[in-house]
Order: sequence, then C-alpha cells, then structure tokens
Amino acid sequence: QVQLKESGPGLVQPSQTLSLTCTVSGFSLMDYSVHWVRQPPGKGLEWMGRMKYDGDTYYNSALKSRLSISRDTSKSQVFLKMNSLQTEDTAIYYCTRDVGYYFDYWGQGVMVTVSS
Amino acid sequence: IMLTQSPATLSVTPGESISLSCRASQSISTNLHWYQQKPNESPRVLIKYASQSISGIPSRFSGSGSGTDFTLNINRVEPEDFSVYYCQQSNSWPLTFGSGTKLEIK
Repeated sequence: QVQLKESGPGLVQPSQTLSLTCTVSGFSLMDYSVHWVRQPPGKGLEWMGRMKYDGDTYYNSALKSRLSISRDTSKSQVFLKMNSLQTEDTAIYYCTRDVGYYFDYWGQGVMVTVSS
Repeated sequence: IMLTQSPATLSVTPGESISLSCRASQSISTNLHWYQQKPNESPRVLIKYASQSISGIPSRFSGSGSGTDFTLNINRVEPEDFSVYYCQQSNSWPLTFGSGTKLEIK
C-alpha cells in the first residue's frame, strides 16, 4: 500500500541546516510528484515545495533562497534541505503525494524544533 | 492567492447540518480542495476540485462553488467530524491553504 514516512533530527540549532528524508513505498517517484508541507504548532498548513515525477522542482518563493529539494529514485527517497533555520521554522514537516495538485497520501509528519 | 476561511470556529451539536466557507482573493475556477485534520493526525482529503467526491469519504461531505466562493457542507455532523477543516487552491503557484475552520462540539 501507499506509504510516506519522514525522518530527520527533532532538534536543530538556530542558523543551522535542516535535512529531512521522505521515504515512500507503494508507488514510484517517477510516476508521482511529492511535496513538502509544514505546520507550526497550533497553526495552519504552509506549502513549501515540490519534487515533480520528472525530476523538476518548484519552491515557495518565500522559502526559495533557503530551500532545496532533491531525490534518489533508486531508494524511493525525497530530500529536503533548508538552511539558516530560525525559531519560526519550528513545525511539523510533512511529505505528501500529489495526484492532481491535491494530496491523497501524507506521511505522519516529523516535528522539528529550532532551539539552542 | 489568499484563501480566507470562515468562520474560524464553529460550535455545533451532533446531527446539525453545516456549511463552511472558503473565499479566494482571485478567481481560481474550481481548483479548490478540502481537507480534514484531526488532532495529532495528518490531513485527509475530503473533496477535490470544489465538488468532486473522494473514494472512501462519507457521503455526508459535499462541496460546491467556483470562481472565488466555495463551500464545504456536512450533512448531519457526526461525533468523529469535530476537527479542523482546510481548503487548498491549486490554480496557481504557490499552492496555498486557508487558515482553517475548527468545528467544535457545542
């Protein structure tokens, strides 16, 4: 069955770089696009960026200067890297599958806290 | 594109039928989707493209609208429906979500 699972450090120091991995199963990254969405505690959802099935990427302009999304199709993994983290980047980070610019399957999310 | 959801909180009694609103800052045709998020869970898609049903979602959930004004209807709210509802537009980049409507028990 379709599954997505995020992994990465729970705590990142201010000004450091966040690295997260989304490991998928039940579908191919060459058939479906995967997006990253984040949610600060108690707040709403923010779209961050997309890894398209053909390898193309697209980023939220608000984050573009700090954000990079890549993938390893052989490992069924999509990677997120974001630098210069600040406390306002504290959030649950989700990866999710795109089935027509909406999202049908989501990972469980990974909580990332930015703190010294 | 900004999406404005109203009300921010809606208090209802189980069995009531309700409507939640999502208004776009410019026309987005029917490129609007609805999600439900329960506490400590990931979002779940309820309605795609304003009014199209999703397999496995109860028929009491329905959507309508086009252009800038959209509505999610829940016919006879069940206890498990008390959660937060978000709309999301896919008409243009960046994809955006509304700020959510919390449905709570009166």
